[in-house]
Amino acid sequence: AQKVTQAQTEISVVEKEDVTLDCVYETRDTTYYLFWYKQPPSGELVFLIRRNSFDEQNEISGRYSWNFQKSTSSFNFTITASQVVDSAVYFCALSGGESNDYKLSFGAGTTVTVRA
Amino acid sequence: DAGVIQSPRHEVTEMGQEVTLRCKPISGHNSLFWYRQTMMRGLELLIYFNNNVPIDDSGMPEDRFSAKMPNASFSTLKIQPSEPRDSAVYFCASTQEREGTDTQYFGPGTRLTVL
Repeated sequence: AQKVTQAQTEISVVEKEDVTLDCVYETRDTTYYLFWYKQPPSGELVFLIRRNSFDEQNEISGRYSWNFQKSTSSFNFTITASQVVDSAVYFCALSGGESNDYKLSFGAGTTVTVRA
Repeated sequence: DAGVIQSPRHEVTEMGQEVTLRCKPISGHNSLFWYRQTMMRGLELLIYFNNNVPIDDSGMPEDRFSAKMPNASFSTLKIQPSEPRDSAVYFCASTQEREGTDTQYFGPGTRLTVL
């Protein structure tokens, strides 16, 4: 069974601070896919980033960066210089591999509040 | 490009009534998913279609729920009869499934309230 754990329920920061969201996953598959989605107050689910299990290179995209470490089964996500518009619930998700390729298993989500 | 389209955005109905939620996936995508989001259970997959064929409906709560995909550009999720515990946000997502999995893109969701 696949499982995603987001231990942080809520994070509150002041604008321009960096925010790091933790995600730990469990899977028996050797090939899998990790995602981060954002759910702003308006309610839609917005895809942010995807990482394949066979590619541990960490990247930066604008103000977003992620740290994927297979050794610790972690896929952390950082927002640099946070803005009020970053206030949202952020979900880490896992899918793919040898079992149920299609099903996205979501974490419980972390609510990020950025104060002006 | 248009994203996943869902209608209605909000639905309020009374217990026992039939509810139909609609979804238009992104053009060219061959896989469609229905998810439900509640405070208690989070996001959970209800059913998955590939090339208009239901592949996995193990997440459908009970016989009151049914889903169809008559063609590549349209899907419905029906609840009959509806109950207050069905109140949730229902999301539709689509993807172009190639080798293995691919990124699922979500619609804006339908917020269902059953009184």
